Amino acid sequence: AQSVAQPEDQVNVAEGNPLTVKCTYSVSGNPYLFWYVQYPNRGLQFLLKYITGDNLVKGSYGFEAEFNKSQTSFHLKKPSALVSDSALYFCAVRDMREGGGNTPLVFGKGTRLSVIA
Amino acid sequence: DGGITQSPKYLFRKEGQNVTLSCEQNLNHDAMYWYRQDPGQGLRLIYYSQIVNDFQKGDIAEGYSVSREKKESFPLTVTSAQKNPTAFYLCASSNRRGAASEQFFGPGTRLTVL
Repeated sequence: AQSVAQPEDQVNVAEGNPLTVKCTYSVSGNPYLFWYVQYPNRGLQFLLKYITGDNLVKGSYGFEAEFNKSQTSFHLKKPSALVSDSALYFCAVRDMREGGGNTPLVFGKGTRLSVIA
Repeated sequence: DGGITQSPKYLFRKEGQNVTLSCEQNLNHDAMYWYRQDPGQGLRLIYYSQIVNDFQKGDIAEGYSVSREKKESFPLTVTSAQKNPTAFYLCASSNRRGAASEQFFGPGTRLTVL
């Protein structure tokens, strides 16, 4: 069975400081990993995904994520946080053994990021 | 939110009523999904459909029903059997090509039971 854990319900960071939102996963095979962001009363927006290759993945709005197979982690990072980054962030996983893209992603419970001016 | 529309944005229901939430996509995606979002519980999968005229139950299907008569449409009915339907409902779709395909989400419908 696939699962995702986001160990922090809330992360607070000062504007201009680096931010990290943590995610660990569990799959039987190898993972495809995804990060999404949700602003209040909106749908989820795709930020980035890890497929294969370089462990550091760059995405939208200056976000990046680092895949670590030995630690089964896929932490989201940004070098300098903005107040406008304040939102709810979701990590998700799909096992590579799934035949296609038409199976559901498994989501974590989300981490609320607050960037303080 | 582009490519997937959900309507209405806000919906109010009296106890004992069935209501239907609309989801339409113009992305030519084969798969469509319905999630329920409650504070602190993340996203929970209600139903999903991998192809027209076929659908599967997710983790919390009780009290809900769906249909998939057209590729672009995947309506969700919240029945009176759903005891606590007040929540934010999200529809999503994805391409069947490759397990690396991400899901695209609609803007959501907030359902409130009066």
